[in-house]
Amino acid sequence: NAGVTQTPKFQVLKTGQSMTLQCAQDMNHNSMYWYRQDPGMGLRLIYYSASEGTTDKGEVPNGYNVSRLNKREFSLRLESAAPSQTSVYFCASSDLRTGVRSNYGYTFGSGTRLTVV
Amino acid sequence: QKEVEQDPGPLSVPEGAIVSLNCTYSNSAFQYFMWYRQYSRKGPELLMYTYSSGNKEDGRFTAQVDKSSKYISLFIRDSQPSDSATYLCAMITGGGNKLTFGTGTQLKVEL
Repeated sequence: NAGVTQTPKFQVLKTGQSMTLQCAQDMNHNSMYWYRQDPGMGLRLIYYSASEGTTDKGEVPNGYNVSRLNKREFSLRLESAAPSQTSVYFCASSDLRTGVRSNYGYTFGSGTRLTVV
Repeated sequence: QKEVEQDPGPLSVPEGAIVSLNCTYSNSAFQYFMWYRQYSRKGPELLMYTYSSGNKEDGRFTAQVDKSSKYISLFIRDSQPSDSATYLCAMITGGGNKLTFGTGTQLKVEL
């Protein structure tokens, strides 16, 4: 059981380049999330998908786009990378069911370390 | 003001000490409370999960929720060097669809 798999683990981009971060989960979770983590800032939500077919902006969506390809996969795209997007990116998934006292905990991937020069 | 406040530390304790990590929050609708542990260069992992007020114990770890004070705590007994990590609190409302995280407290347990 792999859990949440993120690719790539490391990436260096030049300013203006584009790239897509991939995320896949094998736990049949409904909801998926993209966070960035910067020193002193904690985890900041970029976009999330509460269920297949829906996506919503989080706290810091500017400069990013997402695609919920199917129930398993949720990708994050940087169209024109900027140095301010240098960060560690985490994907997470959870089995949220509104109104049901289920486990709301997230399972996180191991992260993508992105440097934009 | 942030919805969830957490002292960033760093907190340094000797091996065997009792550690207390805390978060305060402002949204009285939060009902589910979690603690995540994040080792350096790794993703956060769920450590403890509690519903509403009260205590929950799991081995050396105890999670405590006081909804009247909007205050949650994580206690670590007999701390070990392997407990050295960043601890993040997180919480969610009953009908919510995303967690609200604290910024994390960095803990170092020294030999």
